[in-house]
Amino acid sequence: AQSVAQPEDQVNVAEGNPLTVKCTYSVSGNPYLFWYVQYPNRGLQFLLKYITGDNLVKGSYGFEAEFNKSQTSFHLKKPSALVSDSALYFCAVRSSGTYKYIFGTGTRLKVLA
Amino acid sequence: EAGVAQSPRYKIIEKRQSVAFWCNPISGHATLYWYQQILGQGPKLLIQFQNNGVVDDSQLPKDRFSAERLKGVDSTLKIQPAKLEDSAVYLCASSLGDYSYNEQFFGPGTRLTVL
Repeated sequence: AQSVAQPEDQVNVAEGNPLTVKCTYSVSGNPYLFWYVQYPNRGLQFLLKYITGDNLVKGSYGFEAEFNKSQTSFHLKKPSALVSDSALYFCAVRSSGTYKYIFGTGTRLKVLA
Repeated sequence: EAGVAQSPRYKIIEKRQSVAFWCNPISGHATLYWYQQILGQGPKLLIQFQNNGVVDDSQLPKDRFSAERLKGVDSTLKIQPAKLEDSAVYLCASSLGDYSYNEQFFGPGTRLTVL
């Protein structure tokens, strides 16, 4: 069965510092991994995805994520956090040949000025 | 490019009443999804359409929830009768096709409160 875990309910980071939001997954077959961001009272917005190839993928707003097959992880990163990055972040996984997306429970990122 | 449209944005009803939500996906997107997002949780897929056919409705409570996608474009999700535990945000999303690597585009959601 597919599953995805976001072990941290909340991450606090000072503005200008690097940030990491963690995600681990479990699938049978090749994983397709996604990060979405949700701002207050708005729907989810796509940030980036890993399909195949380079383990480091770059996305919107300066975010990037690193796929690590041996650790079954897909952590979201940004070199320098902005206060405007404060939001709810969701990791999602889908395995090749299946229809269903599985979303994590979300991690609230709070960037402090 | 217009995004995914949903209406209404907010709805308050009493338990045992019925309610319907509407979604208009991005033009040309063949796949449409309905999710339920309860406060503090990630979105849970209720139903997925490919054009106007149902691909996955394994988590749809079929005794009270129903959904249709007319002519492979707009979709409606109905709850009848509503229960207190149905209070949630209902998200509609669409994607270009059913390929596993297509990202989804989400609408703003409908916040349902059942009293």
